[in-house]
Amino acid sequence: DVKVTQSSRYLVKRTGEKVFLECVQDMDHENMFWYRQDPGLGLRLIYFSYDVKMKEKGDIPEGYSVSREKKERFSLILESASTNQTSMYLCASSFPQASLNYGYTFGSGTRLTVV
Amino acid sequence: SQQGEEDPQALSIQEGENATMNCSYKTSINNLQWYRQNSGRGLVHLILIRSNEREKHSGRLRVTLDTSKKSSSLLITASRAADTASYFCAPARNAGNMLTFGGGTRLMVKP
Repeated sequence: DVKVTQSSRYLVKRTGEKVFLECVQDMDHENMFWYRQDPGLGLRLIYFSYDVKMKEKGDIPEGYSVSREKKERFSLILESASTNQTSMYLCASSFPQASLNYGYTFGSGTRLTVV
Repeated sequence: SQQGEEDPQALSIQEGENATMNCSYKTSINNLQWYRQNSGRGLVHLILIRSNEREKHSGRLRVTLDTSKKSSSLLITASRAADTASYFCAPARNAGNMLTFGGGTRLMVKP
């Protein structure tokens, strides 16, 4: 069974902490994505990556960075967590041009609370 | 960026009834995809319909696409309480492989 695994389901961090959200996929997908989901705002793309060591900004990259050192792993980093980053974070992966033929595979999400 | 807008935002029906959700988008597409999200979980890909298709079936799901009206609908027949979830459409553009998602339709099926 193919999988995208996010390391934590729930996470509570303090304001100002550096936070790492990890995502691992076992499908040999080239593309990986990080979204955040907030009530009334839908899913918003933070960053994506088409290949190892490559990254592109999405719609809301401010306050975030990413790392993709290995094909299977895509990490989202909150450099200095703030309360407005309290949200559900969703990782997804896909083959290249997946939107033309296949869908995305999502992880189960990490609900992050910053206090 | 291309984004689908789902309508209605929320829908409540009785078990056994059919549920219809609509999606509108703005620019030309290669295909349109529907996803489902159970409460507090990730999204699951349900079905993909290509721009040259008008209707597609998968089990109790029926998707239609009208490219002239830039709209799609998802019909769930004989709904079950387990169908309670949020449903999202994602139009896929001709170029690139990015998907964007709207706010979704929250479906509640009452037993």
